[in-house]
Amino acid sequence: DGGITQSPKYLFRKEGQNVTLSCEQNLNHDAMYWYRQDPGQGLRLIYYSQIVNDFQKGDIAEGYSVSREKKESFPLTVTSAQKNPTAFYLCASSTTTGLGSNQPQHFGDGTRLSIL
Amino acid sequence: QQQVKQSPQSLIVQKGGISIINCAYENTAFDYFPWYQQFPGKGPALLIAIRPDVSEKKEGRFTISFNKSAKQFSLHIMDSQPGDSATYFCAASGGSRLTFGEGTQLTVNP
Repeated sequence: DGGITQSPKYLFRKEGQNVTLSCEQNLNHDAMYWYRQDPGQGLRLIYYSQIVNDFQKGDIAEGYSVSREKKESFPLTVTSAQKNPTAFYLCASSTTTGLGSNQPQHFGDGTRLSIL
Repeated sequence: QQQVKQSPQSLIVQKGGISIINCAYENTAFDYFPWYQQFPGKGPALLIAIRPDVSEKKEGRFTISFNKSAKQFSLHIMDSQPGDSATYFCAASGGSRLTFGEGTQLTVNP
């Protein structure tokens, strides 16, 4: 079954600790995205990557970092600089058929991060 | 920041009724308008999408109406069912990024 796998499903962070959220896709998609979802709010874009070894900041990148060393993987690190990290984190992927084209984004089932 | 405004925040409908969720956007460069459905503890799933060259798109019980001059689009769910109870997000894109509305929590009572 093709899809997006996010792990872990639940994650707890101690003060001053960095944590890494995993996102793996086997859809052969070029583009991958990280969103943050807070209760009663829409999805806000943290980082996105359209190609391996390249990524761009989204609207709320401060306190987060990413890497894209493989096409299938786009891990997100929530650093200690992110003072309010409690949220539901969603990873998505899509094909890209050219610069500026729009393709449906497919989402994983999220990681819920909480502060201890 | 480019915005997409979604209303209402929550909606309660009786089984068999019509659910209507509205969105408005500002950026005239947006050219792709998807709707996503999200169940608790799950990621959003693409429900239906429209491009601005058509005014309406229907897939089963779900219809998108699009008004380019007013910069508005809406989702209509006909014959709403309890299984449709979920959070619905509209979104808009003019490139590789999606901008999402705030979401509508739909409850369909039996």
